Amino acid sequence: DTAVSQTPKYLVTQMGNDKSIKCEQNLGHDTMYWYKQDSKKFLKIMFSYNNKELIINETVPNRFSPKSPDKAHLNLHINSLELGDSAVYFCASSQDPGSGELFFGEGSRLTVL
Amino acid sequence: QQQVKQSPQSLIVQKGGISIINCAYENTAFDYFPWYQQFPGKGPALLIAIRPDVSEKKEGRFTISFNKSAKQFSLHIMDSQPGDSATYFCAASSGGGADGLTFGKGTHLIIQP
Repeated sequence: DTAVSQTPKYLVTQMGNDKSIKCEQNLGHDTMYWYKQDSKKFLKIMFSYNNKELIINETVPNRFSPKSPDKAHLNLHINSLELGDSAVYFCASSQDPGSGELFFGEGSRLTVL
Repeated sequence: QQQVKQSPQSLIVQKGGISIINCAYENTAFDYFPWYQQFPGKGPALLIAIRPDVSEKKEGRFTISFNKSAKQFSLHIMDSQPGDSATYFCAASSGGGADGLTFGKGTHLIIQP
């Protein structure tokens, strides 16, 4: 069983469209994250949720909206996609906010044309 | 402002050699320093981690050396193998990780047979 699973793995879309990425973890963790990895492989945290509550919200355009329906799921919705949004988006989870051991999904590669 | 500086950006090592990747940090509040390993098409995975109360931690062929006064830490891979070829990220967190991980920019390591 995959511990942290993301769907879809690949997204190709036009500028201006709206898209969502879904994430589920079956590790029983309380904390989930979204990270963005750019073309140079730089990993940057976007959001963090603990027990469905937002605890980290980095400087991200408000076109990005995370939603956590329960502590096992954290989805990312992106409105009005721009070229610069092209990246790999990683979902991750950890036992709690104090744990630095993150378990990452395999990533969702978003390409905006 | 990059809070964790990682070098080199890329590294080629002969099989059986020692691979060394260095990181330096600025924020003295950091109290957890993990290294993550990422293979192409996969998410990063925790390799080894250290807290500042020890100067060295070894797990198999992987060793972290930590210098608190210099605010530096490094990853040593002994007897490097082709299967170690991957991108390596150092990271740091404070507040027990509650602020999320700040990653270095990564090192692309190639082990030549």
